[in-house]
Amino acid sequence: AQSVTQPDIHITVSEGASLELRCNYSYGATPYLFWYVQSPGQGLQLLLKYFSGDTLVQGIKGFEAEFKRSQSSFNLRKPSVHWSDAAEYFCAVAQNTNAGKSTFGDGTTLTVKP
Amino acid sequence: DGGITQSPKYLFRKEGQNVTLSCEQNLNHDAMYWYRQDPGQGLRLIYYSQIVNDFQKGDIAEGYSVSREKKESFPLTVTSAQKNPTAFYLCASSIAFGGSYEQYFGPGTRLTVT
Repeated sequence: AQSVTQPDIHITVSEGASLELRCNYSYGATPYLFWYVQSPGQGLQLLLKYFSGDTLVQGIKGFEAEFKRSQSSFNLRKPSVHWSDAAEYFCAVAQNTNAGKSTFGDGTTLTVKP
Repeated sequence: DGGITQSPKYLFRKEGQNVTLSCEQNLNHDAMYWYRQDPGQGLRLIYYSQIVNDFQKGDIAEGYSVSREKKESFPLTVTSAQKNPTAFYLCASSIAFGGSYEQYFGPGTRLTVT
């Protein structure tokens, strides 16, 4: 069965500092990988996705993520965090054999200090 | 604009009553999903449907029921058998076959049962 681990429950960074959120997955074949963001009381919004090709993917709002098969990781990065980036971030994995059903990590809450 | 709508945004019910949460999408997606989110927790899958007139239980289906009579609609009923129904409920949809499987989320319904 596929699984996703986000090791950091809560991260605090200063505005303007760089950010890296970790995600590790467990799945045999090449997975479909996603990062979503959720503001309080809202639904989730897709930040970026990977399913083939270049292992460094660019997303919205200046985010990027790198797929590393050898480490089973798909970490999310941003070079300079803005106060508006404060939110909860979810990593997810899907498999082609299960027609779109995704497994989500438990999420990482990002706090941005002024 | 294409998207997913959930109604209502807030819902209050007395214990022992069944309540139905609405989810509609105009993205022409085959697959639809219901998740439950509790404070500080990730998403837990309640039910999903990959095609009209078919649906499968997720990880926490007890006390819930769904129907999928139309491609656009996937209502969730929270029955009186659900022991802790107060939560934030999210509906999502995705391509079921041949796509990249990212999910599109509605704004959520916050259900409070007293």
